[in-house]
Amino acid sequence: RKEVEQDPGPFNVPEGATVAFNCTYSNSASQSFFWYRQDCRKEPKLLMSVYSSGNEDGRFTAQLNRASQYISLLIRDSKLSDSATYLCVVNGPQGNLIFGKGTKLSVKP
Amino acid sequence: ETGVTQTPRHLVMGMTNKKSLKCEQHLGHNAMYWYKQSAKKPLELMFVYNFKEQTENNSVPSRFSPECPNSSHLFLHLHTLQPEDSALYLCASSGGAYNEQFFGPGTRLTVL
Repeated sequence: RKEVEQDPGPFNVPEGATVAFNCTYSNSASQSFFWYRQDCRKEPKLLMSVYSSGNEDGRFTAQLNRASQYISLLIRDSKLSDSATYLCVVNGPQGNLIFGKGTKLSVKP
Repeated sequence: ETGVTQTPRHLVMGMTNKKSLKCEQHLGHNAMYWYKQSAKKPLELMFVYNFKEQTENNSVPSRFSPECPNSSHLFLHLHTLQPEDSALYLCASSGGAYNEQFFGPGTRLTVL
């Protein structure tokens, strides 16, 4: 299993749709989990941390399943401005964060 | 945003030039990072500094030379680069290895 693996995408969805991204990680001892978004030709920006009990921030919901080593991000009521690449991030064995390759989302009118 | 700043934002250099990229963080963090992102490719971690000490070098060629004079500043010195080194170079900082990282806007480098 790759250190951090994500859906390849791209996801093309209409405005208002609900979309889910999945991510698996290989280090069972990982303790830190995040979702970042990266707009074209810009730097990655922290979207949300992922907590064991799951957490929600407005239209965004993150879930963590430690047993399956699986993280998800759900976006409800997609907006055009949600179009970006979403990066799954997990800490590796030495502690430093490992970034997934990202899943591209394109929300169409 | 002034959390993490990088200069220059754009740089074009020849293969024989020597240039330096600068990163400064105003977040009081102890760890700083250099990443490379080539077109349509994922982030590649290059160097990690914790409390000014280099703790990770991901087999980066010696034509890239980092310098961390203090916890707030990070430099990447470049010399005799190759065209394939053209990429977006991103600096990031964090409160510690396990903490979220905050990125600067990056330097878009073109090597002719």
